[in-house]
Amino acid sequence: AQRVTQPEKLLSVFKGAPVELKCNYSYSGSPELFWYVQYSRQRLQLLLRHISRESIKGFTADLNKGETSFHLKKPFAQEEDSAMYYCALKSNTGKLIFGQGTTLQVKP
Amino acid sequence: GAGVSQSPSNKVTEKGKDVELRCDPISGHTALYWYRQSLGQGLEFLIYFQGNSAPDKSGLPSDRFSAERTGGSVSTLTIQRTQQEDSAVYLCASSLGPPGQGENEQFFGPGTRLTVL
Repeated sequence: AQRVTQPEKLLSVFKGAPVELKCNYSYSGSPELFWYVQYSRQRLQLLLRHISRESIKGFTADLNKGETSFHLKKPFAQEEDSAMYYCALKSNTGKLIFGQGTTLQVKP
Repeated sequence: GAGVSQSPSNKVTEKGKDVELRCDPISGHTALYWYRQSLGQGLEFLIYFQGNSAPDKSGLPSDRFSAERTGGSVSTLTIQRTQQEDSAVYLCASSLGPPGQGENEQFFGPGTRLTVL
C-alpha cells in the first residue's frame, strides 16, 4: 500500500530551536517525495522536493530509503515558519498521496 | 499571471441538497486535480484529469461525487444529496503536464469551504 504518515499533529518549539517534522512513507519502488506548506490564510504551496536536493527557507529534507523516511529539518526555527506542513508521495499513477499534516507553532 | 481560482470561496448548504464547486486552472495546464481537506483527515485525493484521457476517479468517496472538465479547462465537482460528513475544504490543483513527466509541480487554488448543515 502507498501511504504517508506524519505522526505529529502539532509541533511547538521556541524561536531559534531546531525543528524536525517527521514523515514516513510506504511505497514499493523508487519514491518521489515532497513537502508542501500552508501558511495562515494562504494557499497550499510546494516547499521542496527530494529530487532537487535543495534548501528552501532554511529547510532541508533527506530521503532515507532504509528507514523509509523524509523528515523536514531546520536548524533554527523562525516565527514566520509557523504553518501547516504536509508530506506527500507521488503515487505510481502520478497523483499525490498526502500525510495528515503537522502544524508547526514557533513561539517567540 | 493568475493562479488557480476556485468558486465559491464558501458554501453553506442543507443536508440533502446538491452543490457544485468550480475550478479554473492555470491557463495551459493540462492536468487538474481535486482534493479534500478535512479536519483530522489531512488531504485526500478525489479525482484527476489529464488532457482528453479518462479521469482517474479512484479517490471519489461515493457515487454522490462526480466531476467533469469541459474543454480541457474549467472543472466542476458536483456533490449530490450532501451529507454532514461532506463538510470540508475542497482544493483544486493544476500542473503543466502529466505527473509522470518530469517534475510537474501542482499549483493549488484557495479552496472552497463547504459546510453542510
